Amino acid sequence: AQTVTQSQPEMSVQEAETVTLSCTYDTSESDYYLFWYKQPPSRQMILVIRQEAYKQQNATENRFSVNFQKAAKSFSLKISDSQLGDAAMYFCAYRSPGAGTYKYIFGTGTRLKVLA
Amino acid sequence: GAGVSQSPSNKVTEKGKDVELRCDPISGHTALYWYRQRLGQGLEFLIYFQGNSAPDKSGLPSDRFSAERTGESVSTLTIQRTQQEDSAVYLCASSLRVGTVPEAFFGQGTRLTVV
Repeated sequence: AQTVTQSQPEMSVQEAETVTLSCTYDTSESDYYLFWYKQPPSRQMILVIRQEAYKQQNATENRFSVNFQKAAKSFSLKISDSQLGDAAMYFCAYRSPGAGTYKYIFGTGTRLKVLA
Repeated sequence: GAGVSQSPSNKVTEKGKDVELRCDPISGHTALYWYRQRLGQGLEFLIYFQGNSAPDKSGLPSDRFSAERTGESVSTLTIQRTQQEDSAVYLCASSLRVGTVPEAFFGQGTRLTVV
């Protein structure tokens, strides 16, 4: 069974600085999808960025980028020029692409605090 | 609809009562998921529906929990004889089964408090 591990329960970053959130996963599949979701206090889960495992190029969305290391099964999120609005819980998620169940498996989350 | 809609937003119930939580997925999304999120914790998978296939119920914690979905539309999650440990936010999500954008779109959740 696949598992997702986020080893940092909480992180802090100064406004305008850069922070990296860690995520590792375990799978025997060769193809899959990885996601980072943001959950602000409103509870609304918002997709931040996604990565297809077959793509070697790291995904980028504006200030958000990932460092995808397939062999190491690592999928970290880098937030550049941090803003107060980035403060939230961040969840890493895994999903299989193939036949069978398509459930998303989430890590336990990292609470990001942004200091003014 | 434009997004995933869940109702009620908040529910307070007495221990031992039954509750029903509703989820309206995005139109055209064949997959629907229920997750439970206890305070300060991650998302715990409960159940997954995909079209007319048999649902994946492997995450339901006990036989007090059940869920139904009518075709590819509304789903209801029912918790019978609620217990205090059932207190949590229940999140619903929907997605396309296949395609280039397999992201899950979430509702805002139902916060259930069992007193």
